[in-house]
Amino acid sequence: GAVVSQHPSWVICKSGTSVKIECRSLDFQATTMFWYRQFPKQSLMLMATSNEGSKATYEQGVEKDKFLINHASLTLSTLTVTSAHPEDSSFYICSAKTGTVSYNEQFFGPGTRLTVL
Amino acid sequence: AQTVTQSQPEMSVQEAETVTLSCTYDTSENNYYLFWYKQPPSRQMILVIRQEAYKQQNATENRFSVNFQKAAKSFSLKISDSQLGDTAMYFCAFINSGTYKYIFGTGTRLKVLA
Repeated sequence: GAVVSQHPSWVICKSGTSVKIECRSLDFQATTMFWYRQFPKQSLMLMATSNEGSKATYEQGVEKDKFLINHASLTLSTLTVTSAHPEDSSFYICSAKTGTVSYNEQFFGPGTRLTVL
Repeated sequence: AQTVTQSQPEMSVQEAETVTLSCTYDTSENNYYLFWYKQPPSRQMILVIRQEAYKQQNATENRFSVNFQKAAKSFSLKISDSQLGDTAMYFCAFINSGTYKYIFGTGTRLKVLA
């Protein structure tokens, strides 16, 4: 149980285009979803927290107009990288939390590798 | 500010041997949770073990165990009988009971040698 999927797993796009990444909780309802960014050989950096039906809360330094997050249902959150540039190339990981699990544990998706040319 | 420190960027261990990864954290909270995650080359984050701060007993999951020293704010991970499949990046993480945000350490890259 507690499986989180991401789509696509890998995407290449041209500079200036927008890219949408989906995060789905497959077998549970995710009250809260999180989006992380990970640079090579570095730790995970939390970008934003999203709750179903409400606006995402962005971490300091993360451009909310660049990284649009929508959490339209209890099983789906999307991250759209708008007008992507090469510096946006990174590994993006989502995670999901259900209110019924103790430990406040998050379940992670497999990640999406974004390459902007 | 709450922080998590992993002072060992890289470690290696011979197959079947035991290795300990260190983690220290800083918080003024009393109720919190600690986790060790494994990130293999596939980049999928895998939960290895978790510990509730109010529990004095150290958590154990098969070959993985922790040494939780609350007063010292230390949370080390011991891997016994290391296997080649244990080769991965290991992240220590902390979360307050009242919030949902993980605070991750910088990671320790572990290589198990045949």
